[in-house]
Amino acid sequence: DAGITQSPRYKITETGRQVTLMCHQTWSHSYMFWYRQDLGHGLRLIYYSAAADITDKGEVPDGYVVSRSKTENFPLTLESATRSQTSVYFCASSFRDSTSGNTIYFGEGSWLTVV
Amino acid sequence: AQTVTQSQPEMSVQEAETVTLSCTYDTSESDYYLFWYKQPPSRQMILVIRQEAYKQQNATENRFSVNFQKAAKSFSLKISDSQLGDAAMYFCAYRSLSGYSTLTFGKGTMLLVSP
Repeated sequence: DAGITQSPRYKITETGRQVTLMCHQTWSHSYMFWYRQDLGHGLRLIYYSAAADITDKGEVPDGYVVSRSKTENFPLTLESATRSQTSVYFCASSFRDSTSGNTIYFGEGSWLTVV
Repeated sequence: AQTVTQSQPEMSVQEAETVTLSCTYDTSESDYYLFWYKQPPSRQMILVIRQEAYKQQNATENRFSVNFQKAAKSFSLKISDSQLGDAAMYFCAYRSLSGYSTLTFGKGTMLLVSP
């Protein structure tokens, strides 16, 4: 049961570079999410997807791009990384039904440092 | 928009004792889900317990139980027989069943467990 996996787990990149964080889930969950976690801000939603080819902005989408061509994958791209994007990024997924308890499950996180 | 408030930035408990973490939320919705997640130093987000708003019975998972007061919009977590492994950041979260259907998190409570 692989669940939800993120890669890379740790990444250091330079300001201005493009970075893609990968997320893959094996549960066929319809919903997928990207959050970032920063001290003092808790977890904030960047983007979410309700199904393949359906994505929408969350609370802090600026500087990020997502796509979802397949149900199981939801990559997050930082088009031109900035130091303010140094953070821990969490991918998450869920069904949206009472049978599953509407529970959102998280990946292990990707630690990104922009220098 | 919903908000979640955890008023205790930090709590301490001794092994084998009981501790209660507080959470309040604000919503105009009648149907929703509430969760407690545990985040140890590894930063993995681990589901502790889930409560459906339409259920009056409080959820229980082994040593973890909640006190759900819908009218008061309160959702506290009780940890019985505390163990050293319970030391972590605990997040209260709300999931709407409309709109984004994502999670709104509180700022978290750091639980310290002493021998």
